[in-house]
Amino acid sequence: DAKTTQPNSMESNEEEPVHLPCNHSTISGTDYIHWYRQLPSQGPEYVIHGLTSNVNNRMASLAIAEDRKSSTLILHRATLRDAAVYYCILFRRIQGAQKLVFGQGTRLTINP
Amino acid sequence: GAVVSQHPSRVICKSGTSVKIECRSLDFQATTMFWYRQFPKQSLMLMATSNEGSKATYEQGVEKDKFLINHASLTLSTLTVTSAHPEDSSFYICSARLAVTNTGELFFGEGSRLTVL
Repeated sequence: DAKTTQPNSMESNEEEPVHLPCNHSTISGTDYIHWYRQLPSQGPEYVIHGLTSNVNNRMASLAIAEDRKSSTLILHRATLRDAAVYYCILFRRIQGAQKLVFGQGTRLTINP
Repeated sequence: GAVVSQHPSRVICKSGTSVKIECRSLDFQATTMFWYRQFPKQSLMLMATSNEGSKATYEQGVEKDKFLINHASLTLSTLTVTSAHPEDSSFYICSARLAVTNTGELFFGEGSRLTVL
């Protein structure tokens, strides 16, 4: 499984932007970059995904480096409800192995 | 977004009994469902991939006779923990993929917390 590297934890303040980095230097050309987040005692929640171009949705933005070896999840204006563990995962579209394998993720703390 | 529901959300059982957890996709058809297990303060560990109408594919180190998975329809997969022991106590989470997508996004259930006494 393609590996991603994320900081164990990050801290930010409410109403400020948050940039969550992810390194994936072994990414292959057809790997999608996925982000999920997990609030305490809940199942993970899909946040965003992308392949090559930057992506925006109502939850966040995903900035993908030109060489695709890293990406950044951007929360434009953090709220206390954004406190969660954020997982960056590579989805490899190989026949018979289309699964998502979670790494350790980044625990994001939001200060009021 | 698509909704996945798990039941029960919490279950407590005695050692040696079997427990069944259901995972339903409520508003879409899911040809593939995944079962994860999560211990406290740890990440999710993929246990098995469940395909509708066929046998589940288990990850290395996961006992298929211990964790029975059935995916009899496009909207329901079940995980049965057989002869449960205290070390099986964990948070079990299912997820499903929309049948029409191949870009990978998964929709997760709320999780089921199993406590074996």
